[in-house]
Amino acid sequence: GNSVTQMEGPVTLSEEAFLTINCTYTATGYPSLFWYVQYPGEGLQLLLKATKADDKGSNKGFEATYRKETTSFHLEKGSVQVSDSAVYFCAPPWGSSASKIIFGSGTRLSIRP
Amino acid sequence: DGGITQSPKYLFRKEGQNVTLSCEQNLNHDAMYWYRQDPGQGLRLIYYSQIVNDFQKGDIAEGYSVSREKKESFPLTVTSAQKNPTAFYLCASSIGSRLGYTFGSGTRLTVV
Repeated sequence: GNSVTQMEGPVTLSEEAFLTINCTYTATGYPSLFWYVQYPGEGLQLLLKATKADDKGSNKGFEATYRKETTSFHLEKGSVQVSDSAVYFCAPPWGSSASKIIFGSGTRLSIRP
Repeated sequence: DGGITQSPKYLFRKEGQNVTLSCEQNLNHDAMYWYRQDPGQGLRLIYYSQIVNDFQKGDIAEGYSVSREKKESFPLTVTSAQKNPTAFYLCASSIGSRLGYTFGSGTRLTVV
């Protein structure tokens, strides 16, 4: 079945540092890929998505490129802020035949002022 | 604006009681889901429904029940058979596999 391997946390960075959270996937077909973010005490929000190979999803300064050749969808941000402190989830590929997503434990990111 | 509403935000349950968590969406999504999240953990799937009047068990359905009588509503009942119900419960919905999920803001359930 479809699955992901996501970098384990916690990750602690200083403000304005460069962020990478690695995510690799296994899947059949051509699934869409997603990153979600969960701020403290809240539900998950869709951060960005990509629906085909070489697509780049972007939002709030975050980017991730759908790399079919390396089966990766790494999340990056050039200059993190304290407000980016949250848990980030790389969602397993969800192809046309799948009806549910099984989430991992995510990567907790803490940004120091 | 369309979205998912979960209520209440905080819920306290006494030992041996059943409680029901509400989840309502006005997004016209066919599929709805319930997840449980424990501190520092990921999400575990409890139940999901792809269409009205039909639902399937997820990975941790024991001690929980659901109904899907209307497209907009997918309530979750935590029964007394659930021995460790204290957790954060998240409801989600989706319209298609390429569009991802929309989540509610969650209900934090505590057994007192």
